[in-house]
Amino acid sequence: DVVMTQSPLSLPVTLGQPASISCRSSQSLVHSDGNTYLNWFQQRPGQSPRRLIYKVSNWDSGVPDRFSGSGSGTDFTLKISRVEAEDVGVYYCMQGTYWPPTFGQGTKVEI
Amino acid sequence: EVQLVESGGGLVQPGGSLRLSCAASGFIFSNYWMIWARQAPGKGLEWVANMDIDGSDKYYVKSVKGRFTISRDNTKNSLYLQMNSLRADDTAVYYCARGVGRTPDYWGQGTLVTVSP
Repeated sequence: DVVMTQSPLSLPVTLGQPASISCRSSQSLVHSDGNTYLNWFQQRPGQSPRRLIYKVSNWDSGVPDRFSGSGSGTDFTLKISRVEAEDVGVYYCMQGTYWPPTFGQGTKVEI
Repeated sequence: EVQLVESGGGLVQPGGSLRLSCAASGFIFSNYWMIWARQAPGKGLEWVANMDIDGSDKYYVKSVKGRFTISRDNTKNSLYLQMNSLRADDTAVYYCARGVGRTPDYWGQGTLVTVSP
């Protein structure tokens, strides 16, 4: 299975400041169809996961534009341009290029 | 509005069985492949199983293969997970999710399964 490694695992942040989470995969996530199936999920305390970003850099509906995704191959990043209080939670990267899809360990973002 | 509502979780003894259900609404259920994922207490997310739109293609992760069965009833807009021979390490919140492309987009609120004597 493809191993997804996130860093850091804990991210203390300051309101209004930027934040960045890294995700690395054990092999390239470029699919034979040319797409890269790397997604980001947010899980607020006590809630179910919510997809924020799909295929590296595409926003889901309703996701604030302070969130952005980038990267290619095996290295990916989720950035929050200015952290707000509602951004507290755990963020997971997930690859869907290979089966089974696999998740990173999660990065806990706290103020 | 897309809604996925899981039910059927609870406390079960090791070796026991449970059947989880997921009621879908707000979208054309028969047009989407569906997923079960789980999250052990305080841990990360794990893919459990998925099924295509008509049930002809199913996938299970190794740890549940031969013990769990995913199924769906498109006439009832429902997804199921039959779990047999349950073990302590199956204890988790179980989520159903809708599949789009090669990724889940919407997730339910989850149902807790606790396997304990």
